[in-house]
Amino acid sequence: AQKITQTQPGMFVQEKEAVTLDCTYDTSDPSYGLFWYKQPSSGEMIFLIYQGSYDQQNATEGRYSLNFQKARKSANLVISASQLGDSAMYFCATHSGNTPLVFGKGTRLSVIA
Amino acid sequence: ETGVTQSPTHLIKTRGQQVTLRCSSQSGHNTVSWYQQALGQGPQFIFQYYREEENGRGNFPPRFSGLQFPNYSSELNVNALELDDSALYLCASSPGTSGYTDTQYFGPGTRLTVL
Repeated sequence: AQKITQTQPGMFVQEKEAVTLDCTYDTSDPSYGLFWYKQPSSGEMIFLIYQGSYDQQNATEGRYSLNFQKARKSANLVISASQLGDSAMYFCATHSGNTPLVFGKGTRLSVIA
Repeated sequence: ETGVTQSPTHLIKTRGQQVTLRCSSQSGHNTVSWYQQALGQGPQFIFQYYREEENGRGNFPPRFSGLQFPNYSSELNVNALELDDSALYLCASSPGTSGYTDTQYFGPGTRLTVL
């Protein structure tokens, strides 16, 4: 079975600084995808970034980048130049062709002015 | 915005009642999945529909059922509500064929409270 572990229940970061949110995964499938979603207090899950297990380069989307270390089974999210609007819950998730999305418990990020 | 909408936003029911939650997927997305998110937890997969057929189910009892319609709308029905059913219910649509390989785009959710 697939599993996601997010060990940081909460994180604080100063505005304009970079922050790394940790995610480790466990899967027996050789082909899988890794996702990060943002969930503001409104509840909607907002897709941020995707990394495929066979992708050679780390994914980047604007201020978001995914630090994918396959040997360590980690897929950390890096947010550069934090903004107040980045304050939210962040969820790491994984799926494979045969299994649906499995989410971690999330990390609450608070950006301080 | 993802183009995925859900109704109602909030709902209060009593134990034993039945509830229907609705979702409108992004146009062209043939796959819809439903998730339950309890307070302080990540979403948990309930089931997935592809072209009006259920093609995957998580660890939820049969009193959780669904329907998908040709017009990209879908429903989640829960019978015999229990207190533990109180949660945020999220639907997510994806453009591809059946299976779990596509990125899913979520709606804003329906917050269900069971008293």
